[in-house]
Amino acid sequence: DIQMTQSPSSLSASVGDRVTFTCRASQSIHSYLAWYQQKPGKAPKVLISAASSLSSGVPSRFSGSGSGTDFTLTINRLQPEDFATYYCQQTYDTPRTFGQGTKVEL
Amino acid sequence: QVQLQESGPGLVKASETLSLTCTVSGGSVIDTSYYWTWIRQSPGKGLEWIGYIYYTGATRYNPSLQSRVFMSVDTSKNQFSLSLYSVTAADTAVYYCTRERDSGWPFDSWGQGALVTVSS
Repeated sequence: DIQMTQSPSSLSASVGDRVTFTCRASQSIHSYLAWYQQKPGKAPKVLISAASSLSSGVPSRFSGSGSGTDFTLTINRLQPEDFATYYCQQTYDTPRTFGQGTKVEL
Repeated sequence: QVQLQESGPGLVKASETLSLTCTVSGGSVIDTSYYWTWIRQSPGKGLEWIGYIYYTGATRYNPSLQSRVFMSVDTSKNQFSLSLYSVTAADTAVYYCTRERDSGWPFDSWGQGALVTVSS
């Protein structure tokens, strides 16, 4: 299985901040990476696919980058609705695997 | 806009079978573009991919669960189902049904999730 490791596991931030967190794959997954946002009691929502392609309706303050084994999700000008947990997921191979998540807290 | 909805018992006894159904609306399980997927989430193991089924009945399961999992699809009801045999407390989780197109594509639509608790 491809292991996905996210860091940090949590971070504290304020409205208006720029935050960046990372996801590392245990082997190259090229650009086969998706990012999801999850709020308590809700299903994950896809933000980005193919490492950097913003999903429809997702604000442009979200951006993704990276390829191979190292990936980054950046949120510019953090908004109150962005406080949530973010997961990366490799879409390269089965079994599909997720990182353990990064919780963005106020 | 496709919608997915999980249904099934919220409480299952240890050693018995967990059974869930996902009803698809606003779309069709016969859509050749999609693989219909089950994912679960527990505090201990995070998000775990269980496997998928294609409308033809072809399946792919997570090797870690393969010996206990069975998925089926009912095209007449626009549903797909999950059975997990011989459950233990470790199978307590929120179970989501979702879909993906293929490798390279994300899970783009999700059900709201169904909490299943395994009791001893």
